[in-house]
Amino acid sequence: GEKVEQHESTLSVREGDSAVINCTYTDTASSYFPWYKQEAGKSLHFVIDIRSNVDRKQSQRLIVLLDKKAKRFSLHITATQPEDSAIYFCAASLNTGYQNFYFGKGTSLTVIP
Amino acid sequence: NSKVIQTPRYLVKGQGQKAKMRCIPEKGHPVVFWYQQNKNNEFKFLINFQNQEVLQQIDMTEKRFSAECPSNSPCSLEIQSSEAGDSALYLCASSLNRADERLFFGHGTKLSVL
Repeated sequence: GEKVEQHESTLSVREGDSAVINCTYTDTASSYFPWYKQEAGKSLHFVIDIRSNVDRKQSQRLIVLLDKKAKRFSLHITATQPEDSAIYFCAASLNTGYQNFYFGKGTSLTVIP
Repeated sequence: NSKVIQTPRYLVKGQGQKAKMRCIPEKGHPVVFWYQQNKNNEFKFLINFQNQEVLQQIDMTEKRFSAECPSNSPCSLEIQSSEAGDSALYLCASSLNRADERLFFGHGTKLSVL
C-alpha cells in the first residue's frame, strides 16, 4: 500500500523566514495531497491541498509543490509568523473512488519571534 | 472550532472492558472516517462510511472493533475488549465526497487502557 514519509520531524525558523516541509510517497496512483495543521489543544484542520494535475498551488503565504517524477511534495510557508507554530501533517490519497488517506508522521514547526 | 463533534474527549478503561466513542459529522457530510493516532503521531485508518454503508475497513476492525453510522444518530466506534495497545487518540473525520476531498476532523477521543 501507499507509504507517506515526512522527512522533518521538527523544524525551527525565525519569524519572517520561510519554512519548508517535505514529504515523499510511494504509490504513483496517488492523486490528491492535502496538508493539515494541528495546533496545541485543537483539532487537525485543513490548510491547503494539491491535485496531481498541477505542480504548484498557492494560497496566501502557503505554497505547495508537487514533483510526480520524484514522488515528492512540499509545503512552503513564507514570511512565517508565531501563529504558524504547530504540527503539520502531509497526506496522500489514491483516487480509487473509495478514498483513504495515508498520513505522514507530522512536522513540529516552531517559529521563533 | 471543529464542527465535527466527538465524545467523550477522554476515556479510561481497564483491559478487557468495552470502550465506546461517538462522532457527529459536520452537517451535510455523508462520508465519515475513523483513524487511530498513536503517541508517535502515526495514523492508522480503521473504517469509513458513506451514510450508513461501510466503504472500507481494516482487518483489525473486523475482529475487536465495531463501528456504525446509523441514520439520525451519531456514528460510533466500539472496542469490544480493550487492550493496552489500543491506547491512542481516535479521530473522526467527515467529508463531502468519497474521493479527493478534504477532511474535517473532530478533537478526538483519547483512550487510555490501564
